[in-house]
Amino acid sequence: EVQLVESGGGLVQPGRSLRLSCAASGFTFDDYAMHWVRQAPGKGLEWVSGISWNSGSIGYADSVKGRFTISRDNAKNSLYLQMNSLRAEDTALYYCAKGGSNDYGGHNWFDPWGQGTLVTVSS
Amino acid sequence: SYVLTQPPSVSVAPGQTARITCGGNNIGSKSVHWYQQKPGQAPVLVVYDDSDRPSGIPERFSGSNSGNTATLTISRVEAGDEADYYCQVWDSSSDHYVFGTGTKVTVL
Repeated sequence: EVQLVESGGGLVQPGRSLRLSCAASGFTFDDYAMHWVRQAPGKGLEWVSGISWNSGSIGYADSVKGRFTISRDNAKNSLYLQMNSLRAEDTALYYCAKGGSNDYGGHNWFDPWGQGTLVTVSS
Repeated sequence: SYVLTQPPSVSVAPGQTARITCGGNNIGSKSVHWYQQKPGQAPVLVVYDDSDRPSGIPERFSGSNSGNTATLTISRVEAGDEADYYCQVWDSSSDHYVFGTGTKVTVL
């Protein structure tokens, strides 16, 4: 069974940093791109970032570009999101999701998703 | 940036058919994927590549895509289908993934 388990969320002050992790199991991790998708409280889904199987191709939403960094460790079956210069508008539930192919871009879908980790940015 | 527009809500009686639209400029030229999200749960893929169903998704869920509108159709609606539904595409002009605004399906 494919499992994605996020961790690392919490309450953080504006301007500070946080690192999210996603532990993957049940599939060949380095065969697939991985993504972060977030959902602000009571709002819709927003793609945040994606990374190809070998980290050779990476993309970010305009809202986080220059502040967030996605990475992966295929030896540890893990995905990460380093979030710097956090803002109140970054408050959301952050989901880790498996991509539909090995490339982060293209006609791909997200399946499955983890249960998410909550990030709250507030003073 | 590419915009996907969905109706905020759709109401349907049990046993009837729900149709959820996703509008976007020439969306028919893109592959559209659909997700179901029940309260307090993570999204679940219900249709991919316009009309394919992942294993475990009932045949009652189907999709189509043409012109400027993609549609998710839920036949013989059940109480358990009550959820938020989102469409999603890849926008090659911006190299970004885009989600629709979401539709809340209420079973009367």
